[in-house]
Order: sequence, then C-alpha cells, then structure tokens
Amino acid sequence: GENVEQHPSTLSVQEGDSAVIKCTYSDSASNYFPWYKQELGKRPQLIIDIRSNVGEKKDQRIAVTLNKTAKHFSLHITETQPEDSAVYFCAASLIYNQGGKLIFGQGTELSVKP
Amino acid sequence: NAGVTQTPKFQVLKTGQSMTLQCAQDMNHEYMSWYRQDPGMGLRLIHYSVGAGITDQGEVPNGYNVSRSTTEDFPLRLLSAAPSQTSVYFCASSRDRDRREQYFGPGTRLTVT
Repeated sequence: GENVEQHPSTLSVQEGDSAVIKCTYSDSASNYFPWYKQELGKRPQLIIDIRSNVGEKKDQRIAVTLNKTAKHFSLHITETQPEDSAVYFCAASLIYNQGGKLIFGQGTELSVKP
Repeated sequence: NAGVTQTPKFQVLKTGQSMTLQCAQDMNHEYMSWYRQDPGMGLRLIHYSVGAGITDQGEVPNGYNVSRSTTEDFPLRLLSAAPSQTSVYFCASSRDRDRREQYFGPGTRLTVT
C-alpha cells in the first residue's frame, strides 16, 4: 500500500522568509496530492492540491511542485506571516481505483516568528 | 449546511467498554472516512466508504468496525476499548471520485483509561 513520508517534522522561520515542506510517496500509481493545514485545536482544511498530470500549481503565496520520477512533492510558502503558523499535512491517493483512500504524512509544525 | 458533524466531542471510556462515534454529513457526499490523529503520527486512515453499503479497511482498522447504511451517516464502533485507542478521531467526507477535497468534522477526543 501507499506510504507517505514528510519532512521536516518542525520548521521555524522568520516572518517574511520562505518555508518548504517535502514529502515522498511509495506508490508510483498515486495521482492526487493534497496539502492540508491544521491550526491549533481545529480541523484540517485543504489549502492546495495537485494531480499527477501537472508539475506545479500556485495559489497566491503557496505553491506545490511534483516530481513523479523521484516520487516526491513539496509545499512552498513565500512571504510567511504569523497566521501561517500551523501543522501542515501532505497526502497521496490513487483516485480512480482506490476510492476514498487518502494516506497522510506525519505532519510538519510550522512556526513563523514575527 | 452543517457540513460534517461528529458526536460526542469528548469521551472517556474504561478499558473493555464499547461505544460508537457518530458522524453525519449533509452535503450528499459519496466518500466518507475515519482517521485517528496521534502526536507525531499524522492522520491515519482507519476505515473508509465509497458509498452506501460499501466499506473498506484503511491503515489501522484493528479494533474498529464501520457500516454505511445511508449516504449521510458513517458511525465508527470501538468493540472493546484499549488505552492504545486514546486519540482524536476525525470523520471526513468528499464529494466523489473526481472532487476529492476532504471536509473534516470537528473531531472527537477519546480517552481510554
């Protein structure tokens, strides 16, 4: 089955700096890669996702890149702000053959210092 | 829409007790899943369902049962609670095979003593 590894487990940056979180996956057939943000005491929420037919996707200050050959994908946050502080989770799924089976990474706790 | 709702919010059980965590969604989503969240281990999939009457195991299914008799409801049953099942449990739903954004419920914090 799919296995997703996420690094680093904690990340501390100064406000305005960039943050990068990396994930690797094991199943080369996976074709859907979302990122979720979970603020303290709240539920996870989708912030961006990418499908395997796309190499990069941007949404304002966040971007995700995908390298299918190396089986890894990354979240990039530019111009970080204190409200970006949260736990971020990557995930991987094979959309068409495994229904709702979404496998998550272990999470990265991002701290943005003002 | 209420979205995804979960009850109870908090629960304390003694070892060996059984209980059911309730999950409901009013968005007519096909897919529903249960996750547990433990420190440093992310969100681990327990069971999931791709439609009424269809369920399958996730990464950590042992000690849990599910059923999906309606599109709206997806209860999670703990058969004989163990301290290792102390965790925060999230239910999530997504629309269908193509629209995969997971909408999470508020979570249930379960402690087994």
